[in-house]
Amino acid sequence: DSGVTQTPKHLITATGQRVTLRCSPRSGDLSVYWYQQSLDQGLQFLIQYYNGEERAKGNILERFSAQQFPDLHSELNLSSLELGDSALYFCASSASGQEYNEQFFGPGTRLTVL
Amino acid sequence: KNEVEQSPQNLTAQEGEFITINCSYSVGISALHWLQQHPGGGIVSLFMLSSGKKKHGRLIATINIQEKHSSLHITASHPRDSAVYICAVRAAGNKLTFGGGTRVLVKP
Repeated sequence: DSGVTQTPKHLITATGQRVTLRCSPRSGDLSVYWYQQSLDQGLQFLIQYYNGEERAKGNILERFSAQQFPDLHSELNLSSLELGDSALYFCASSASGQEYNEQFFGPGTRLTVL
Repeated sequence: KNEVEQSPQNLTAQEGEFITINCSYSVGISALHWLQQHPGGGIVSLFMLSSGKKKHGRLIATINIQEKHSSLHITASHPRDSAVYICAVRAAGNKLTFGGGTRVLVKP
């Protein structure tokens, strides 16, 4: 158990809908990262937050947004969902935003868009 | 060409065999991660290294910064080692870029 929790574990929804994925980092970790793992693209970095502020941005679509709250949990919002958004979404946390900090991964949320 | 290339893509071994997975990257990095993903989907961080060699149990990871190459070795492989092993590099901005993964199957 990495100490990172994600909810829900599974999510099934329809095209055009909006969903929110939630991540609670390990106790004391200030940085949260979001990743998408799809069958055709593999694992991709989406976005990183550090202590409430956006720190780095990867291949995140404009239909997606994220935030980190004062209690350090983070939410990833996916809107106008398309079939291709079906994927495993992982969040990871690290002690700080620094490069030498190891990242600990949550169990993932499996999103299926029908 | 992908920034991070892993080989082989698939590997089948008999229990007890020595396994090597390779990772080559084309960008300057600050660290390299080896991750393990089990069939259930969960990801576990095995190693984070920026130079030399690290060992944990039957797993050994090495990195050669000059050659932009890393290897993950599994000694005395066991069926419970069956998983996908993913190499990821940390470049500027603390972003992780992932290799395509190596699917390992260890047969009893």
